Amino acid sequence: AQKVTQAQTEISVVEKEDVTLDCVYETRDTTYYLFWYKQPPSGELVFLIRRNSFDEQNEISGRYSWNFQKSTSSFNFTITASQVVDSAVYFCALSDRMDSSYKLIFGSGTRLLVRP
Amino acid sequence: GAVVSQHPSWVICKSGTSVKIECRSLDFQATTMFWYRQFPKQSLMLMATSNEGSKATYEQGVEKDKFLINHASLTLSTLTVTSAHPEDSSFYICSARTSGRSYQETQYFGPGTRLLVL
Repeated sequence: AQKVTQAQTEISVVEKEDVTLDCVYETRDTTYYLFWYKQPPSGELVFLIRRNSFDEQNEISGRYSWNFQKSTSSFNFTITASQVVDSAVYFCALSDRMDSSYKLIFGSGTRLLVRP
Repeated sequence: GAVVSQHPSWVICKSGTSVKIECRSLDFQATTMFWYRQFPKQSLMLMATSNEGSKATYEQGVEKDKFLINHASLTLSTLTVTSAHPEDSSFYICSARTSGRSYQETQYFGPGTRLLVL
């Protein structure tokens, strides 16, 4: 069965600290996609990244970076030099071909609080 | 690109009334739209998958007669909460997926609608 686990419920850091959000997934499919979304207090989910299962290269976008490791079924997200505006709930999600509707399987989310 | 709008953003209504929420993809055609419900401090719960021109597919435990979904065009899906009751108060979010090989495509989310039933 498909499953996404975000074991960290809440993380609190001081501004400028680096923080890593963990994501572990389960799927029997060999082809799948992984996503990260940010949900600020306003409520709208903002798409951050999509990564397919064949591309294990790490990705960096400004202060954001993602580490995809198939061997451990993990897709972790690191924010470098965190800022107060990074405070939000972050969701990791999985999409594969096991379900005909190709729906997203969400983790429970990690609430990040960045204190000034 | 890939903007999804939702209207209204806030609804307060009396118990027993019906509420319609619209979800629009503004700059792309969405063959599939999804409706989610989110309770405070919880993850998103998928309610139904809506494909243009066909009946919606509801997740287990979601009452199809209570939550009516219509996907009349490639840019518009509506969710109607019929005879709303206080327990229906929640944050409702839609998402839209571009056409193509579906499992590869990114879902883009609307800003959500907060429903409060008195």
